[in-house]
Amino acid sequence: ETGVTQSPTHLIKTRGQQVTLRCSSQSGHNTVSWYQQALGQGPQFIFQYYREEENGRGNFPPRFSGLQFPNYSSELNVNALELDDSALYLCASTKGGSPSYNEQFFGPGTRLTVL
Amino acid sequence: DQQVKQNSPSLSVQEGRISILNCDYTNSMFDYFLWYKKYPAEGPTFLISISSIKDKNEDGRFTVFLNKSAKHLSLHIVPSQPGDSAVYFCAASAAGNQFYFGTGTSLTVIP
Repeated sequence: ETGVTQSPTHLIKTRGQQVTLRCSSQSGHNTVSWYQQALGQGPQFIFQYYREEENGRGNFPPRFSGLQFPNYSSELNVNALELDDSALYLCASTKGGSPSYNEQFFGPGTRLTVL
Repeated sequence: DQQVKQNSPSLSVQEGRISILNCDYTNSMFDYFLWYKKYPAEGPTFLISISSIKDKNEDGRFTVFLNKSAKHLSLHIVPSQPGDSAVYFCAASAAGNQFYFGTGTSLTVIP
């Protein structure tokens, strides 16, 4: 069984640029959630995708957007990068959409630095 | 507004002793609580959970206690082992919707 993978591992961008982060969900999982973890903070929910549709969103502006593909992999796109977007971005997969008490399996994250 | 709080950023414990990690929450609608463990360069991994209909859940060396009236939960690790050294996050959810995480407690178990 393949776990959750994310790419790239690290990324450096400058303010105003756009970035795309990628996530492959665990085998058999149809739901992907994205989290932002700033330094010294816990993960904060950005949004969730279930069956290729956004299925819940946290308190993040529209310049944070996403996609889910038929194979349940997912992308997180961030436009007009700001310095405060520097963080670890975590992807988590699970079965069954939301609401759900099913366990989430996290990937190792992508470390984004905005200069 | 931080709905889940872990007020101790770090904790050091001798090997073999008990580790107690604490978590407080503000939202009375939360009905499901989890603890995750995170090693450097890895994503969080699920450790143990508890539903609001229970006040205790045990899994091997790990026990989670829930005090709904105080809006407080704690994770007990007995006996603590060096491999338990990691960052521990508590998380909470209302009706299985969005999960809210605390800021984490870094546990160091000293051999």
